Amino acid sequence: GAVVSQHPSWVICKSGTSVKIECRSLDFQATTMFWYRQFPKQSLMLMATSNEGSKATYEQGVEKDKFLINHASLTLSTLTVTSAHPEDSSFYICSAARAAAGRGGQFFGPGTRLTVL
Amino acid sequence: AQTVTQSQPEMSVQEAETVTLSCTYDTSESDYYLFWYKQPPSRQMILVIRQEAYKQQNATENRFSVNFQKAAKSFSLKISDSQLGDAAMYFCAYRSGLSNFGNEKLTFGTGTRLTIIP
Repeated sequence: GAVVSQHPSWVICKSGTSVKIECRSLDFQATTMFWYRQFPKQSLMLMATSNEGSKATYEQGVEKDKFLINHASLTLSTLTVTSAHPEDSSFYICSAARAAAGRGGQFFGPGTRLTVL
Repeated sequence: AQTVTQSQPEMSVQEAETVTLSCTYDTSESDYYLFWYKQPPSRQMILVIRQEAYKQQNATENRFSVNFQKAAKSFSLKISDSQLGDAAMYFCAYRSGLSNFGNEKLTFGTGTRLTIIP
């Protein structure tokens, strides 16, 4: 159990276009999802926390107008990179928090590689 | 703010041997969780082991065990009988224990790349 999927797994787009990445919790409901960015050979950097039915909370330095997050249901959160530029090329990973009696946990999607030409 | 430090960018170990990866953290909280995640070349993050700060007993998961030293704020991972499939990036992570529902954000260390020598 606790499977998280991401779609697409990789995407190539032209500079100036927008790209949407989906994160789904397949077998549990996730009130909170997290979006991370990972550059090659570096750690995961949290971009934002997404709560179902409310506005996302962005980390300092992350442009909320550029990285639009929507958490429309308990199983789906989307990250839209608007007007993408080559510097937005990165590996984007989502995680979904599963509430559980006692202590829950975060489960990660397989990631999406974005390349902006 | 909490910080997590992994001082070993790279480690290597002979197959079947034991290796220990280091992690230290800084926090003023008394209730928190610590994790070790593995990221193989596929880049899928896999939870290896977790430790609740209130538990004195060190967590173990098969060949993986931790040495949790709360006073020293140290949380090392020991991998016994290393296997080729253990080769990966290993990240230490911290989560506040303020919430019971797993929705507190994780703070990651910079990672340690583990190489297994056949």
